[in-house]
Amino acid sequence: EADIYQTPRYLVIGTGKKITLECSQTMGHDKMYWYQQDPGMELHLIHYSYGVNSTEKGDLSSESTVSRIRTEHFPLTLESARPSHTSQYLCASSAPTGTGTQYFGPGTRLLVL
Amino acid sequence: QKEVEQNSGPLSVPEGAIASLNCTYSDRGSQSFFWYRQYSGKSPELIMSIYSNGDKEDGRFTAQLNKASQYVSLLIRDSQPSDSATYLCAANKAAGNKLTFGGGTRVLVKP
Repeated sequence: EADIYQTPRYLVIGTGKKITLECSQTMGHDKMYWYQQDPGMELHLIHYSYGVNSTEKGDLSSESTVSRIRTEHFPLTLESARPSHTSQYLCASSAPTGTGTQYFGPGTRLLVL
Repeated sequence: QKEVEQNSGPLSVPEGAIASLNCTYSDRGSQSFFWYRQYSGKSPELIMSIYSNGDKEDGRFTAQLNKASQYVSLLIRDSQPSDSATYLCAANKAAGNKLTFGGGTRVLVKP
C-alpha cells in the first residue's frame, strides 16, 4: 500500500488568489496523477506524470498546471482561483512495474469564494 | 459511448444479501481491471484487481472477468451497512498505466 499525502486537506480562498495543492508519496512511485471530482460525480483525470520532468494533460481540460521536479512530489497550481475551480482534487500514484494499480491520497477540498 | 460503463444505481441491497455490480468496457486492449470503493467525501480505495478471465475471491468480495464479453463484475457477499458506498470500476489501457474509470455504482445496504 502506498503512502501518499495531500495538503491542505481543506482550503477556502478568495477569487483571484494563487494556490498550490501539494501531493507527495514515499513509495518511490514514478507515475503520479491528479484527478478532479465534484460531489457525487465522476473522477476526471486532469494531469499525470510518468517521471521527473514529465507532465501531461489529462482527459479533462483544466486551467491548473503541474510540475514534477522530484520523484516524490507532484504539486498542482492554480494561478488565479475562480469559483468554478471549487471541487475535490485527488492525487494518486502507481508503481513503475506491475499492473498499474493506483493508490489515492486523502484529497483536497477546495472552495473558492 | 464511455470506455468504461457502470450502472449509476443506487443498488439497494438488504443486509446479508449479495450485491452484484457490473461493468463493461469498450477497449479490447484493456488488460487489467480494478474495483475501488469510495465513501462519500473520501478518496477511492482499492478493493481488488483482476487480470485473467475467471473469478478472483478476496474475503467477501469476488471479481469476475470475461474478456470475450468485455465484462467485469464484483460480488459482495453478506452485505453490511458499512458496504454502502460508490464502487468504481477501472481499466488499464494496454499502452500504459493510465486508468480509465467508470462513473461508479452507488450501493445502499439497508439493515
